[in-house]
Amino acid sequence: ETGVTQSPTHLIKTRGQQVTLRCSSQSGHNTVSWYQQALGQGPQFIFQYYREEENGRGNFPPRFSGLQFPNYSSELNVNALELDDSALYLCASRYAGTSSYNEQFFGPGTRLTVL
Amino acid sequence: RKEVEQDPGPFNVPEGATVAFNCTYSNSASQSFFWYRQDCRKEPKLLMSVYSSGNEDGRFTAQLNRASQYISLLIRDSKLSDSATYLCVVSSSYGKLTFGQGTILTVHP
Repeated sequence: ETGVTQSPTHLIKTRGQQVTLRCSSQSGHNTVSWYQQALGQGPQFIFQYYREEENGRGNFPPRFSGLQFPNYSSELNVNALELDDSALYLCASRYAGTSSYNEQFFGPGTRLTVL
Repeated sequence: RKEVEQDPGPFNVPEGATVAFNCTYSNSASQSFFWYRQDCRKEPKLLMSVYSSGNEDGRFTAQLNRASQYISLLIRDSKLSDSATYLCVVSSSYGKLTFGQGTILTVHP
């Protein structure tokens, strides 16, 4: 196992609602990224947090927002849900140091269905 | 044009076959390169990193050609357990991963 957990496992919401997804990273991992994976597609980068600050964002609207906490947990918030937001949401954590790339460890994902 | 392009397949091969996956990427500034494996309804897991010199891990061989912006994965002596989706992934300097669509592999008896 990767040591990265996500909750809830599954979630059903209706259009217009708001949702908060949670991720608990490995201890010591100072960087967390969130990805959206639609059916039949590869994961798409939403944003990344490093030491509680957003330091990179993909092509997602502002209604996708996040938080990272000092205890290695993080949240993804999505407002005004749309049908196209139905997807598997993955978080990935790693330790970003001064050396070359360090492996990102993915959580099992939260499957969101918007009706 | 997608940043990372893969042939989505599916590839259906018998046990023991050799299968090759190819991938191209558009951002010449990409820093690191990987192949991930994803089983049905599970999270992606790192299969192997890819280096310009080429690297091998058991039955798996990966190659990177930076000049052509091309990445490959070769699986020899396929096993039933190799059935999965294989994702070609490139990383930016700050760790953003860009995934290809994924190539579905089914190995049959």
